[in-house]
Amino acid sequence: SQTIHQWPATLVQPVGSPLSLECTVEGTSNPNLYWYRQAAGRGLQLLFYSIGIDQISSEVPQNLSASRPQDRQFILSSKKLLLSDSGFYLCAWSGRPYNSPLHFGNGTRLTVT
Amino acid sequence: AQSVTQLDSQVPVFEEAPVELRCNYSSSVSVYLFWYVQYPNQGLQLLLKYLSGSTLVKGINGFEAEFNKSQTSFHLRKPSVHISDTAEYFCAVSVFLASYGKLTFGQGTILTVHP
Repeated sequence: SQTIHQWPATLVQPVGSPLSLECTVEGTSNPNLYWYRQAAGRGLQLLFYSIGIDQISSEVPQNLSASRPQDRQFILSSKKLLLSDSGFYLCAWSGRPYNSPLHFGNGTRLTVT
Repeated sequence: AQSVTQLDSQVPVFEEAPVELRCNYSSSVSVYLFWYVQYPNQGLQLLLKYLSGSTLVKGINGFEAEFNKSQTSFHLRKPSVHISDTAEYFCAVSVFLASYGKLTFGQGTILTVHP
């Protein structure tokens, strides 16, 4: 069966510090990968999605970036965190058919102080 | 572009009572519809999905939803809730033949089941 791992579970970082969140998927190949952010009371916002290595699309302009160094690895980064980057970050994967549902990791709670 | 509106931000209900969480969507093309549940400090778990066929969809944990194309709705129902159903529920839509898995989510409905 497929599993998705996301870490760390919680993170407290000062403003201006770098960020690296990692997500890996097991049990499937060529998944579509996604990063979502969930801010309190604001639902889920799609940040990045990737349909393959070196194929990453950004949905919202911001100081975050994403990379996919391996087929089943997706990394969310920032060079300098802002207070507004605080939130709950969720990684997800889906299969290739366009109507495949998303499967989410357990999320990372990021607090920028 | 498509959008999703969850009509209630919070729904309190007593244990063993029925519940309906309302979801309306807007799209100029055909859509696929999903309901997800999120327990505190966890990721989202798929409850059910409508892709095609029967408009009444059954999911996990005794939940079901009905797709109504004319009213552009996809309300979630459960005939008898348990304390363990307390969570936040999200309705989501993806556009037919659109980019893979790009879901648009509603703002969420917090379901609180009281004993």
